[in-house]
Amino acid sequence: GAGVSQSPRYKVAKRGQDVALRCDPISGHVSLFWYQQALGQGPEFLTYFQNEAQLDKSGLPSDRFFAERPEGSVSTLKIQRTQQEDSAVYLCASSLAPRGRRYFPDTQYFGPGTRLTVL
Amino acid sequence: AQKITQTQPGMFVQEKEAVTLDCTYDTSDQSYGLFWYKQPSSGEMIFLIYQGSYDEQNATEGRYSLNFQKARKSANLVISASQLGDSAMYFCATDVSWGKFQFGAGTQVVVTP
Repeated sequence: GAGVSQSPRYKVAKRGQDVALRCDPISGHVSLFWYQQALGQGPEFLTYFQNEAQLDKSGLPSDRFFAERPEGSVSTLKIQRTQQEDSAVYLCASSLAPRGRRYFPDTQYFGPGTRLTVL
Repeated sequence: AQKITQTQPGMFVQEKEAVTLDCTYDTSDQSYGLFWYKQPSSGEMIFLIYQGSYDEQNATEGRYSLNFQKARKSANLVISASQLGDSAMYFCATDVSWGKFQFGAGTQVVVTP
């Protein structure tokens, strides 16, 4: 079946521009996650959705970052007034289960990422 | 807070040999999961294997096995019979509260003929 898809795969923005990154999770997956991966490092958590509800946005680095998932499927990560330090790969992941229980082992499946370069 | 440590920034391994990638973690939780992902140069994170903290047996998935030592808080990945296509970055991760993953810094594996 189809995996997680992200678009665009590559985005070049001039400093100060706004960008929007799209994520299409696996059909039926309740949970959706955004991560930021700087060059040579592991992914860092940004935000988490359960259906359309954004339950955790503790990883968003500034108020220039905004994410939404209005119908509980496709999600968009928006970055306003981009800065050079925003250059990174933005990864989206989805998992089947909600996080209602304290612990439920649930694999996250990742998309190919969007490589954002801010000039 | 959970912490994941991968101490090997890079490794070379010959084709058909086995390689062990180290991962240690620090958590006070009783229930947690440990995950390994592969990230080739194309950038996609590919799920390899999972180990639950209450699983008594080490997880295996084809050529991948996880050497889980709970008392030592280590979850090393063993890749047997390495192939050229195994060349990639490998990340260890654990699920912190409410499902978000925390990743280690990764280990770059290069398989040579």
